[in-house]
Amino acid sequence: NAGVTQTPKFQVLKTGQSMTLQCAQDMNHNSMYWYRQDPGMGLRLIYYSASEGTTDKGEVPNGYNVSRLNKREFSLRLESAAPSQTSVYFCASSGPNEQFFGPGTRLTVL
Amino acid sequence: RKEVEQDPGPFNVPEGATVAFNCTYSNSASQSFFWYRQDCRKEPKLLMSVYSSGNEDGRFTAQLNRASQYISLLIRDSKLSDSATYLCVALMGGSARQLTFGSGTQLTVLP
Repeated sequence: NAGVTQTPKFQVLKTGQSMTLQCAQDMNHNSMYWYRQDPGMGLRLIYYSASEGTTDKGEVPNGYNVSRLNKREFSLRLESAAPSQTSVYFCASSGPNEQFFGPGTRLTVL
Repeated sequence: RKEVEQDPGPFNVPEGATVAFNCTYSNSASQSFFWYRQDCRKEPKLLMSVYSSGNEDGRFTAQLNRASQYISLLIRDSKLSDSATYLCVALMGGSARQLTFGSGTQLTVLP
């Protein structure tokens, strides 16, 4: 099992550009999550999906959209990137006892 | 005020030392608690769950005090490989099982 996979690993954008971060899990989990991690801030929840077909806002949803394409895949879209969105983005899925994280995407917005 | 607060450190300790990390949480409705470990530039991984009765996993001991809303992690006989950031995490429960993370405590074990 690959667990949780994310693409790309690194990305540099210019202000105003758009992009989609991809995430997939092969553990048959219902719940999936997108977090961002900034120095001194810990992980903050952007959006989550409790099950296929549902999505909900987390703590910091502004500037982002998500799509739960199917049970395996949960994508995060930045429609118009801003320098404040420079961060490390982690996707996760939740089993009964723990959340499993992908390796992260390091995004820089210039 | 953050929902989960930790001393950011850094903690620099010699190999073999015992080190303790503390964490407080503000939401009394939090149902479960965990310690995650995050190595530099890597994803967080579950270290251990925290139970009210206290629990031990090898050199690691976790304690929960619901009355004081306080969680601790004790590492005995520190190894170089224990160097990492330790994240205190609270679970709100519900179908989505949302986690709230502390900002982490950085540990460096020195030879």
